[in-house]
Amino acid sequence: EVQLVQSGAEVKKPGESLKISCKGSGYTFHTYWIGWVRQKPGKGLEWMGIIYPGDSDTRYNSSFQGQVTISVDTSTNSAHLQWDSLKASDTAMYYCARTLYSSGWRFDYWGQGTLVTVSS
Amino acid sequence: NFMLTQPHSVSESPGKTVTISCTRSSGSIASNYVQWYQLRPGSSPTTVIYEDKKRPSGVPDRFSGSIDRSSNSASLTISGLKTEDEAEYYCQSYDSGIPGIFGGGTKLTVL
Repeated sequence: EVQLVQSGAEVKKPGESLKISCKGSGYTFHTYWIGWVRQKPGKGLEWMGIIYPGDSDTRYNSSFQGQVTISVDTSTNSAHLQWDSLKASDTAMYYCARTLYSSGWRFDYWGQGTLVTVSS
Repeated sequence: NFMLTQPHSVSESPGKTVTISCTRSSGSIASNYVQWYQLRPGSSPTTVIYEDKKRPSGVPDRFSGSIDRSSNSASLTISGLKTEDEAEYYCQSYDSGIPGIFGGGTKLTVL
């Protein structure tokens, strides 16, 4: 069974760093793209970027380029989303999702989401 | 890059049929596959339609997808509405530079 399990909710202060994770299982991890999607409170879904674990090829939505870093650790079958200096505006639910290039870059399996709250 | 525009909200009664549109701002809607995701409060998104009109296993045939070249839109139609269909629905497509372009989402109320 394909599963993506994300790390738990985080409460941080502005200026702090954070790295959240998404662990894949039940499939050959390094052969599928993993994407990250943000949903801010009361707002819609926003595609942030994707990474291919096989070669770490990474693509960002221009809105998120330079604001976050997407990485992968194939030894633990995990993808990561990282901030160096959080802002209150980063408060959101973050989802990882397996992404199928061959099917219109669709997301077929999703993690349960990681809620990130940034508040002083 | 293009944008995908959805109505902010729609509402319909149980048992009826509702259609949610997703209009592409530039370029042909038929050029790139469109998927539809359902997002219920407290849950992760799930796919209800992919590649314009295909249903994943487990999605009831009350859900259907289509493309209309004349209006440059994709549509999600849900027939025999049930209260459990109440959710947000997002269309998604892609462009050469951006694998993920989402519509703004449509809140479906079944009242």
